[in-house]
Amino acid sequence: GQQLNQSPQSMFIQEGEDVSMNCTSSSIFNTWLWYKQDPGEGPVLLIALYKAGELTSNGRLTAQFGITRKDSFLNISASIPSDVGIYFCAGQNSGNTPLVFGKGTRLSVIA
Amino acid sequence: DTAVSQTPKYLVTQMGNDKSIKCEQNLGHDTMYWYKQDSKKFLKIMFSYNNKELIINETVPNRFSPKSPDKAHLNLHINSLELGDSAVYFCASSRQGRAKAGELFFGEGSRLTVL
Repeated sequence: GQQLNQSPQSMFIQEGEDVSMNCTSSSIFNTWLWYKQDPGEGPVLLIALYKAGELTSNGRLTAQFGITRKDSFLNISASIPSDVGIYFCAGQNSGNTPLVFGKGTRLSVIA
Repeated sequence: DTAVSQTPKYLVTQMGNDKSIKCEQNLGHDTMYWYKQDSKKFLKIMFSYNNKELIINETVPNRFSPKSPDKAHLNLHINSLELGDSAVYFCASSRQGRAKAGELFFGEGSRLTVL
């Protein structure tokens, strides 16, 4: 089946730094989404992208839907301690097909 | 008010036992899901139901049987538990339709440990 390659696997950054992570696929998706999972919780949707080339922001978070439909990135600016968690990208072909999740990027923020 | 609630949050049991996890959503969504998250945090879909009908079954052993009594509930029953079933199981829901269908609302997870 389809697979997503998400990188990096983990990151250790200083508070205040900007963060960038990305997701690539060997096949196209029509929707890209980014989720965050805090320890002991379920994933929470951060940003959903529906058009190739789309750039969307949610506070300090910015995500882009790659023009080829095969990739997406997520940037976090001026990181804070509560940004700690696992960030998952997900792709979907259509509303009736299941989401395919990346393996996650584990973010640690050092105060 | 919890949007997607699942019980129990923790479950420890012996191999060979049968157990159930319950899920309820109060968001008025038409579609519900069960996901399994392994020890490496990989999320994999197991089942998807739309208006009480099974629409996705991703090569899950038939020891796992979902049941949806109504569109607000999706329960997961597991027979003859095996060590490899140990994981965190997440229930989720979403709106039906092409738009927004990927925007999932997850429960807090049920951590199953099989001894």
